[in-house]
This record gives sequence, structure tokens and C-alpha cells, in this order.
Amino acid sequence: DTGVSQNPRHKITKRGQNVTFRCDPISEHNRLYWYRQTLGQGPEFLTYFQNEAQLEKSRLLSDRFSAERPKGSFSTLEIQRTEQGDSAMYLCASSLISMETQYFGPGTRLLVL
Amino acid sequence: AQSVTQLDSQVPVFEEAPVELRCNYSSSVSVYLFWYVQYPNQGLQLLLKYLSGSTLVKGINGFEAEFNKSQTSFHLRKPSVHISDTAEYFCAVGSGGSNYKLTFGKGTLLTVNP
Repeated sequence: DTGVSQNPRHKITKRGQNVTFRCDPISEHNRLYWYRQTLGQGPEFLTYFQNEAQLEKSRLLSDRFSAERPKGSFSTLEIQRTEQGDSAMYLCASSLISMETQYFGPGTRLLVL
Repeated sequence: AQSVTQLDSQVPVFEEAPVELRCNYSSSVSVYLFWYVQYPNQGLQLLLKYLSGSTLVKGINGFEAEFNKSQTSFHLRKPSVHISDTAEYFCAVGSGGSNYKLTFGKGTLLTVNP
């Protein structure tokens, strides 16, 4: 069990640029979640996948955000035309459908200048 | 809708002292409750969870929590803390039936001083 991995761990970008993050869940985990955590706050739900299907998106997820999970394995989260307000830690988690525990990755910290 | 309130944003304690981190939740349906710990620049690690059954739940690193339905609380306790317990602690609630997303509190920073 190698755990949930996320890449990159840190990303600095200029406002207006596009960024993409990758999450590799624990193998055989059907569910994959994305959360965003800003300074001094708890994680907030963004979206989740069951296998390759994206089943819910939070209203926090503006049109500039898109997530994919091709083939039901790894997932990518893309932010287009980044804004300074997008600066946050982006956390990925995975779980089995039959289990309630979500296992979190180390996160990708984004700084938009 | 669900919500979680962590009543203390910071809790300073001395090493080997007992500690309680408070968490209250609101939900219109049955819930699952979790405590996660986050060390600096790391992701979240599960400490313990309540799904059903015994209201006293034991977790890793000597932590335990008690589910109190009437008071809608799920406080975290440890009888004797170590310096290494210094971290941010998050309480989270998931709704029963379709526990596909967690709602987190704002976190409590536990600082253990020598």
C-alpha cells in the first residue's frame, strides 16, 4: 500500500496561467475526491469521482476548474486563468465504495502571484 | 446540510497533561464522524472514526473520542500528550447513506510545550 500520491507538491505560477495537478489514488480505490484548503481553514469539498464518472461538483468549483479521471485510475485537476484567490492547498483523497474512510494525499500547495 | 464547529482554534498544553479538543456537529441525518490530524506541510491522517456501535472510539497514538448524540458532540481526548502531538486537528462529518464527501471544521491547533 503506497498511499495516495500527488504531484507536484508545490506550484508557483503567475496570475492568468493554467496549472494542472495530478493525483494517484490507492490502487483499487473506486472513489476519488478533491478538496481545497485555505490558510486557517479546514478542507472544503470540490468534487468526487466514482471510477471514471464525476458524480458531484461543489459550487466552489468555478468554470475555470475542471477535473478528470480517465480509466478510473489517476485524476487531474486543472485550473485555467489562475487568480490570486486560487492560492491554496489542493488535497486528493481516495476510498473504497464500501468503506467510509477517506485516505488523503500530501497535497499540492499552489501559490498564484 | 451539515456543519462542524470546533470550539477552540488553539489549545496550548504542557507535555504529559491531558487534553480535550471539542467538536460539535449538526446534521439532519445519521452521521459518520471522524478526527484527522495534519502535521505541517502534510496531508491529513485519520486518527479515529465513529460509524456505529460503541460511542467510545479508540484511535491511533492513544487518542479516543466519545460520540454523544444528545449533545451532538464528538470530543477528542488524550490522557497524556507528547511534544510530537503538536499538530492541527480536524473534526469531520459525513452523512449516512452516501458518505461521499466530508464536511470539516476549521481545525484546532494543539501545541504541546515542554
